Amino acid sequence: DAKTTQPPSMDCAEGRAANLPCNHSTISGNEYVYWYRQIHSQGPQYIIHGLKNNETNEMASLIITEDRKSSTLILPHATLRDTAVYYCIVRVANTGNQFYFGTGTSLTVIP
Amino acid sequence: GAVVSQHPSWVICKSGTSVKIECRSLDFQATTMFWYRQFPKQSLMLMATSNEGSKATYEQGVEKDKFLINHASLTLSTLTVTSAHPEDSSFYICSARARDRKRGEQYFGPGTRLTVT
Repeated sequence: DAKTTQPPSMDCAEGRAANLPCNHSTISGNEYVYWYRQIHSQGPQYIIHGLKNNETNEMASLIITEDRKSSTLILPHATLRDTAVYYCIVRVANTGNQFYFGTGTSLTVIP
Repeated sequence: GAVVSQHPSWVICKSGTSVKIECRSLDFQATTMFWYRQFPKQSLMLMATSNEGSKATYEQGVEKDKFLINHASLTLSTLTVTSAHPEDSSFYICSARARDRKRGEQYFGPGTRLTVT
């Protein structure tokens, strides 16, 4: 699986959009981009995943560049409960393959 | 959404004893379950992959005789830490891949905090 690079930490004002970048320059054609987050002392929570088209669900939007070498997770209106570590992972879907977690981005939402 | 539970949520044991942690998929069948370990302020580290009815596959550096994994059914996997030592104190998290859910998703349990004294 390809590796990802994320900034170690970010701050965001409550109510504003949080944009979390991820670089995955060695991604393969059949690898998806997944985003999970982990609130302190809890298990990771699935957020969203995509292959090449932008995706949106009730939690977030995922923007993938045309060359697929990077992506951005957008939390449209960050709340204090969005404070967590966000992990970007690339992986071939539907294979049962493992997730290998990087260091992630620690997002702090500031009141 | 799919729910994965772990039991116990936290456990304290004495050095030299064994501890069993259960991971259950509550509303779906899990063909594959994964076990992770997380030390304070670090990321999750994959320990092993278990498929129902077969032996677990361990990541490099993980002692299979120390961390016994059993995946006897499509809804239950157990991790037994044998002869636990203080350095085994960690946050253990399982995840399960559903057989009939959206492609590639894994659902994580809430984790088990193990403290070895």
